[in-house]
Amino acid sequence: DIQMTQSPSTLSASVGDRVTITCRASQSISTWLAWYQQKPGKAPKLLIYDASSLESGVPSRFSGSGSGTEFTLTISSLQPDDFATYYCQHYNSYSNTFGQGTKLEIK
Amino acid sequence: HLLESGGGLVQPGGSLRLSCAASGFTFSSYAMSWVRQAPGKGLEWVSAISGSGGAIYYTDSVKGRFTISRDNSKNTLYLQMNSLRAEDTAIYYCAKDRPGTTFDLWGRGTLVTVSS
Repeated sequence: DIQMTQSPSTLSASVGDRVTITCRASQSISTWLAWYQQKPGKAPKLLIYDASSLESGVPSRFSGSGSGTEFTLTISSLQPDDFATYYCQHYNSYSNTFGQGTKLEIK
Repeated sequence: HLLESGGGLVQPGGSLRLSCAASGFTFSSYAMSWVRQAPGKGLEWVSAISGSGGAIYYTDSVKGRFTISRDNSKNTLYLQMNSLRAEDTAIYYCAKDRPGTTFDLWGRGTLVTVSS
């Protein structure tokens, strides 16, 4: 089974900061990777799919990159609404695996 | 729009059936999944079913205990959960697959608590 490992587990940052979250796959997954944002008590929200495609309606300050085994989610300038937990996810036609999550906190 | 129901408190070894009512899209055209989240923990994919119901997949920890199904005439997805364990305690979300990619629509979730 493919394992997905995110780092860091917790990230403290300030409004306006540029932040990067990393996700590593235990084997190559091409670009079959998505990023989600989840706020307390809410369902996850799709931000990025196919590693770098921005979901409709998601602000352009969010971007994704990578292929193979290493991927990044970047928020170019943090806004107050961005403090949440972020998950990466590997998907294919018969299975899905999520990373353990990165909690983005206000410094 | 996706709306889950059927969660609740059940004893270990018990059963529960979750439902997910879909609206706003052609339900039979899309694969659907169940994803769960234990209290304070991360997301775990549980099961998926193709649009026709002909292809079904499970994570290893629920194989032989959970059964996913769908009724396209009722626009409803189901998860029959048997032999429930404490570690099955979680919020269960249903999610719609976007063909070729991942989950683009999620329900609000229903809480399943397995406890004596």
